[in-house]
Amino acid sequence: EIVMTQSPATLSMSPGERATLSCRASQSVSSNLAWYQQKPGQAPSLLIYAASTRATGVPARFSGSGSGAVFTLTISSLQSEDFAVYYCQQYHKWPQYTFGQGTKLEIK
Amino acid sequence: QVQLVQSGAEVKKPGASVKVSCTPSGYTFTNYYIHWVRQAPGQGLEWMGLINPSGGSASYADKFQGRLTMTRDTSTSTIYMELSSLSSEDTAMYYCTRVPLYTDYPFDYWGQGTLVTVSS
Repeated sequence: EIVMTQSPATLSMSPGERATLSCRASQSVSSNLAWYQQKPGQAPSLLIYAASTRATGVPARFSGSGSGAVFTLTISSLQSEDFAVYYCQQYHKWPQYTFGQGTKLEIK
Repeated sequence: QVQLVQSGAEVKKPGASVKVSCTPSGYTFTNYYIHWVRQAPGQGLEWMGLINPSGGSASYADKFQGRLTMTRDTSTSTIYMELSSLSSEDTAMYYCTRVPLYTDYPFDYWGQGTLVTVSS
């Protein structure tokens, strides 16, 4: 099983700031890495796939980077609606598409 | 539009089984795997397994082997996830989600979730 590790567990930031979230895989997942956003009471929503491609309708302030085993999600200027929990997921090793434990982005 | 509609909340006693349904619409039923993911209260996302609606074959995470069964009914385009020998640790929100067959692609659409509560 590929283990995904996210850091930090919690990130306290203010609106307008730049947020950087990290995700590391226990082995290479190539670019088969996705990021999801989850708000309270909702199902996760796909933000980024193929490490750096924004899903349909995702604002340009969200960007992803990395390949192999180290990945980053950047939110360039935080909006109030961006405060949520973010998960990375590898879909390289079929069929066990494992998730990281999540990063909670909270308002400072 | 694409939708995955799940059955309603369930309350079960320890040792019982639960069967949750997922009915996709807005796309060709047999062209996408259906995966199941669960989330315990306040916790992260846990992949459980998947089924190929085309042939009915399924694959499960090791921790659920022996007590998880996924089936499909092609006549109603419905997927079922049955978990047996429930314990309090199975209390969670259960989601179905999809991936195109034979591709490297993540989960693009999710069901609304089904809350399963296990309590004596």
